[in-house]
Amino acid sequence: GESVGLHLPTLSVQEGDNSIINCAYSNSASDYFIWYKQESGKGPQFIIDIRSNMDKRQGQRVTVLLNKTVKHLSLQIAATQPGDSAVYFCADTKETSGSRLTFGEGTQLTVNP
Amino acid sequence: NAGVTQTPKFRVLKTGQSMTLLCAQDMNHEYMYWYRQDPGMGLRLIHYSVGEGTTAKGEVPDGYNVSRLKKQNFLLGLESAAPSQTSVYFCASSYPQGGGNTDTQYFGPGTRLTVL
Repeated sequence: GESVGLHLPTLSVQEGDNSIINCAYSNSASDYFIWYKQESGKGPQFIIDIRSNMDKRQGQRVTVLLNKTVKHLSLQIAATQPGDSAVYFCADTKETSGSRLTFGEGTQLTVNP
Repeated sequence: NAGVTQTPKFRVLKTGQSMTLLCAQDMNHEYMYWYRQDPGMGLRLIHYSVGEGTTAKGEVPDGYNVSRLKKQNFLLGLESAAPSQTSVYFCASSYPQGGGNTDTQYFGPGTRLTVL
């Protein structure tokens, strides 16, 4: 079946470095992608999203890149801070209105001081 | 504006017992969802609702029932709990009336359920 998967289960970076978290999706019909951050003991928190008619979107210290040719999504975090340590999930949907999301397994980001 | 809230936060059940998890949102969202999250896995959709009075099955609906009698509430029931239902349960909502991003889901803090 269709799935959204992450390349690496864990990522460890030094404080101040940039982090890149990758995600591969298989459904070419997907038109909306979201990155969520989940801290220990909490629910997922929306970080940034992107629609399929875009290939890049920037937020505060975060950038999402979408490569539809190879069905790849990435989340870049600039100047990673200890507070960025969390599990990051990508999710996708193929509908445009309140639709069901398919979540990846998650990547654990650890920021070392 | 509390967002999405869930009660209870923790619960321990014995096999065969029943319980109801309550989700409430104050954002006037049309859509609501129930997910479960198991160690080392992503979120899996149990049931969802696209409006008051409607419900639909998600990816893993067996052993669960839901009801959406009021727009702001979405209840998840376990009629006869099993150890396989030990998990963390998250509720989410989306699709604000009157505009805004219709696809972004906002999550509650979760309910940690243990079935012995």
